[in-house]
Amino acid sequence: GAVVSQHPSWVICKSGTSVKIECRSLDFQATTMFWYRQFPKQSLMLMATSNEGSKATYEQGVEKDKFLINHASLTLSTLTVTSAHPEDSSFYICSALYRRNQPQHFGDGTRLSIL
Amino acid sequence: GQSLEQPSEVTAVEGAIVQINCTYQTSGFYGLSWYQQHDGGAPTFLSYNGLDGLEETGRFSSFLSRSDSYGYLLLQELQMKDSASYFCALAYGGSQGNLIFGKGTKLSVKP
Repeated sequence: GAVVSQHPSWVICKSGTSVKIECRSLDFQATTMFWYRQFPKQSLMLMATSNEGSKATYEQGVEKDKFLINHASLTLSTLTVTSAHPEDSSFYICSALYRRNQPQHFGDGTRLSIL
Repeated sequence: GQSLEQPSEVTAVEGAIVQINCTYQTSGFYGLSWYQQHDGGAPTFLSYNGLDGLEETGRFSSFLSRSDSYGYLLLQELQMKDSASYFCALAYGGSQGNLIFGKGTKLSVKP
C-alpha cells in the first residue's frame, strides 16, 4: 500500500519549454504532498509543500512563479517548471503524506534535462 | 536555521556492521528519520526516532540522543544490496511533515 506514482520519469526538452510533472497517490488520499529537487551527488532539497485546495508553501529561494504547483485533488499534485533553462536540469521527486505521523512516501522521481 | 552533518562515504565488507552517524543543529524538531536511496532511485523510508533511544527494524536500527544532538543508523549483516546513499532528516510540522535532509552518506559494501 501507500504507492506514489510520478510521471514522466525522464524528460529532455529545449530551453524555454514548460514541463509538467505529475505526482499521484494511487491507493490513498494525500492531503499533503512535497516537492524536492536533487542535484547529482547532493541531498534532497525541499522546494515546496502542497496542500489540497490551497496555495503551496514555497521554501526560501524557490521562485513560485517559475515552479507552479497545483494540488487540485487529494490524489494529484502537479509541478510545472515554466520556461525551463539548463540550470533547472535536476532530479525532481515528490512525496505524499498518508497520515500526519506516518512516513512520507516518495515517487520514483523525474529526471529533467534541459538542452 | 537547521543543519545536519554525516560522513560523505563509508566502505564496509559483506556481513559486517556499520554505523552512520548524524549530528545536527536545530532549534526544535519532532524527530529524526533515515532514508535509503539507490543510484537513480527514490528515497525509501528506513526508520524514525521521535523519542530518545534505539528503534530496531530487522537488520537496521536507529538511535537518537536529543541531549547530544546526535543520532545514528546501524546496519547489521551487511549485504551487497545495501550499497546506497543513506540520508538522515530532521522532521518538522508533525513527526513526518517537512523534512530537512542531510547531505547523505554513500555506503559501499565490498565482497
